[in-house]
Amino acid sequence: QVHLVESGGELIKPGGSLRISCAASGFSFSDHYMSWVRQVPGKGLEWIAFISYSSSYTHHADSVRGRFTISRDNDKNSLYLEMKNLRPDDTALYYCVRNFGVNRDDYYYMDVWGNGTTVTVSS
Amino acid sequence: QSALTQPASVSGSPGQSITMSCTGTSNDIGGYDLVSWYQQRPGKAPKFLIYEVNKRPSGVSDRFSGSKSGNTASLTISGLQPEDEADYYCCSYVGRSTLVFGGGTKVTVL
Repeated sequence: QVHLVESGGELIKPGGSLRISCAASGFSFSDHYMSWVRQVPGKGLEWIAFISYSSSYTHHADSVRGRFTISRDNDKNSLYLEMKNLRPDDTALYYCVRNFGVNRDDYYYMDVWGNGTTVTVSS
Repeated sequence: QSALTQPASVSGSPGQSITMSCTGTSNDIGGYDLVSWYQQRPGKAPKFLIYEVNKRPSGVSDRFSGSKSGNTASLTISGLQPEDEADYYCCSYVGRSTLVFGGGTKVTVL
């Protein structure tokens, strides 16, 4: 069965750094683009980053570019999000997501979601 | 890139059909057939419902259907059921390797 399990979320002070992780199982991890999507409690979804199969291509949303970095380790079937200079408005539930596309290099859709890990930025 | 515009809420009685909209611009929805829809029940992770405007992934009920006209995409739920009560989000490719979600529509089954 396909599973994505996020971990590493915690309470962190403004300006701090944190790395969250996602463990994938039940599918060929290295064959899929992967993304992070976040959701502020009670609010909508925000796509924040994706990474290609071999990590050769990444892209981050304007709201996090320069502060957040997506990465992956295909040998460990794991996805990561390194977050620096955290701000209170980064407080959210962070979802690890598998990308799906009609063609191999497509990443436009998100077909498998984890249950999320909560990051709280507060003094 | 601004979020796509969705109505805050839509409601209907069991058995009815409802349609919700997702409005963008010619730079996103109007420019690409790369629209998807997701259902999020309370306290749960989103579920993939529709891709490429009107295609259903395996296992998704055919009561859900998608369409697009100009800069607006739509999701229709036919034969509304109590378990359809959830938040629904549209998403579109907007160019420059960027994906954007709508603000979400809360569906209430009366």
